[in-house]
Amino acid sequence: KAGVTQTPRYLIKTRGQQVTLSCSPISGHRSVSWYQQTPGQGLQFLFEYFSETQRNKGNFPGRFSGRQFSNSRSEMNVSTLELGDSALYLCASSLAPGPVGQPQHFGDGTRLSIL
Amino acid sequence: AQTVTQSQPEMSVQEAETVTLSCTYDTSESDYYLFWYKQPPSRQMILVIRQEAYKQQNATENRFSVNFQKAAKSFSLKISDSQLGDAAMYFCARLNNNAGNMLTFGGGTRLMVKP
Repeated sequence: KAGVTQTPRYLIKTRGQQVTLSCSPISGHRSVSWYQQTPGQGLQFLFEYFSETQRNKGNFPGRFSGRQFSNSRSEMNVSTLELGDSALYLCASSLAPGPVGQPQHFGDGTRLSIL
Repeated sequence: AQTVTQSQPEMSVQEAETVTLSCTYDTSESDYYLFWYKQPPSRQMILVIRQEAYKQQNATENRFSVNFQKAAKSFSLKISDSQLGDAAMYFCARLNNNAGNMLTFGGGTRLMVKP
């Protein structure tokens, strides 16, 4: 069974641009969550999608948005990029949302660098 | 804020010996889940072990076991017979029962394994 697939693996952008990252969950998984990982702030939850609906949202500005398609694939978009958006963006999928506490399976991440 | 704290930024262990990584957390919920994830240099977060808060019995997975002290809100990870491949960042995470799949992570502990 293929794991969680994130594309692209690396991305370089400049300030003010916008970027779209993609995540394909494990087959059969319907919940997709996104996390931002930085050396200073650690791992922070961005948002979660289930059945094409945003279920939870972390404490990030409106420049960060996402969506989920009917095949459970998800994209996240960051507009008007800032230097502080440089990070590893991780996607995770699980068989179902809570409250059963299903473990989440992570992809390899997209390393975004802002120049 | 409901936080997860890992007080050891770095730990070192000799190959074949045992090491314990500490984690404490804060929550007002009575039902939640706790996880340990491993992140090697390859970046992918790998689930090591999962504990359901309502279960008294400590979870074990081969060489990995936890010491879950619910009253103390403590969730430490013990790695027995450490192997070179155990070298990685280890993250403790909490999932509240009413929060979908929103994981709250600790800051991580870098584990080094000496041959």
